[in-house]
Amino acid sequence: TQLLEQSPQFLSIQEGENLTVYCNSSSVFSSLQWYRQEPGEGPVLLVTVVTGGEVKKLKRLTFQFGDARKDSSLHITAAQPGDTGLYLCAGESGSGYALNFGKGTSLLVTP
Amino acid sequence: GAGVSQSPSNKVTEKGKDVELRCDPISGHTALYWYRQSLGQGLEFLIYFQGNSAPDKSGLPSDRFSAERTGGSVSTLTIQRTQQEDSAVYLCASSPSTVRQFFGPGTRLTVL
Repeated sequence: TQLLEQSPQFLSIQEGENLTVYCNSSSVFSSLQWYRQEPGEGPVLLVTVVTGGEVKKLKRLTFQFGDARKDSSLHITAAQPGDTGLYLCAGESGSGYALNFGKGTSLLVTP
Repeated sequence: GAGVSQSPSNKVTEKGKDVELRCDPISGHTALYWYRQSLGQGLEFLIYFQGNSAPDKSGLPSDRFSAERTGGSVSTLTIQRTQQEDSAVYLCASSPSTVRQFFGPGTRLTVL
């Protein structure tokens, strides 16, 4: 099993602050996905990154895939209460179907 | 169209009983996955279906766990002789044969 370590495990910030969460592994992934999960619901895909060094932006969210395709980061600018949730990264190793998930970063944004 | 649905949403059972969890994937999605999410843990892969076949059952934790898929659609995850450590949220996802997975809301299983 290719392990994905996410940090921090918990993050509590105030509305308007910026934050970065990390997803690290010693393994190379062919692609990496970020999901957000809200209580009582399943994870929802935010983005997939495929190319080493790739940067993708989704409104206030910026995702980066490491050059070596072993790590990724998610940066949120001017966080809002609606960003609250569990952020999960998942790596795909080339099988075409199997995803390895990290344990997630639980984010709380207070007004 | 409708997303992935799972039933029941919550299940409370007594230790030793059998339970069945159901997943209705998005219509036309050939791939189906079951995961388990325990408190404070990430998603643990259980089993993968392509059509009605399960080419990867490597994540099933013990022989008390089994799953089937019929008609390339509905899937049932069965846990026999439930134990307290089986308590978790069981998530189902479907996929149109790509890596992108669409998740259902999960079934929260509590074993007393």
